[in-house]
Amino acid sequence: DQQVKQNSPSLSVQEGRISILNCDYTNSMFDYFLWYKKYPAEGPTFLISISSIKDKNEDGRFTVFLNKSAKHLSLHIVPSQPGDSAVYFCAASGGSQGNLIFGKGTKLSVKP
Amino acid sequence: GAVVSQHPSRVICKSGTSVKIECRSLDFQATTMFWYRQFPKQSLMLMATSNEGSKATYEQGVEKDKFLINHASLTLSTLTVTSAHPEDSSFYICSALHTSGVRTQYFGPGTRLLVL
Repeated sequence: DQQVKQNSPSLSVQEGRISILNCDYTNSMFDYFLWYKKYPAEGPTFLISISSIKDKNEDGRFTVFLNKSAKHLSLHIVPSQPGDSAVYFCAASGGSQGNLIFGKGTKLSVKP
Repeated sequence: GAVVSQHPSRVICKSGTSVKIECRSLDFQATTMFWYRQFPKQSLMLMATSNEGSKATYEQGVEKDKFLINHASLTLSTLTVTSAHPEDSSFYICSALHTSGVRTQYFGPGTRLLVL
């Protein structure tokens, strides 16, 4: 049973436009959510996070929105740049251990 | 952000040999580190949670005698793939849990293992 779902395996966006990556989760115990960016043959790079006490967190071009009632979060990238092309993983955690549950990722392609 | 290193970045070995991969948190102490494996075109799969000074916790289906984990210090965890076989060929990634401030995992660059 997949606790963290990224239903779109890929997304293509024009440079300068907004990229919206979506993530759904099923476990109501999750209280911390993160987005990672990953290039091929490299480890994931932490982008931005949000705790369950907030509904929005912004860092430069990246904004994460959390809708707890819908168990949904999204990552907005604006404006999108070709260098943003990568696989984006949504991850969630809850409890004391801190291990992350990852979605399967969404491959973002930003076209010049 | 915090820095986590892995060594080696790439290793090729013969079937039946053992391979050790090191994971270091360079600018923070990590009582908890994680080891992941990534298959092509799939998500990261958590293999085990490594806790400093205690035994690792393995996920279901991961052989603890095959994937030996040692977390000897607050900045170093090692994964040893014992008697490696071609099916162990994969991309192994570690992460370290940074608990100062926000609770965030920082990942190493990964190790590509190819078993011939």
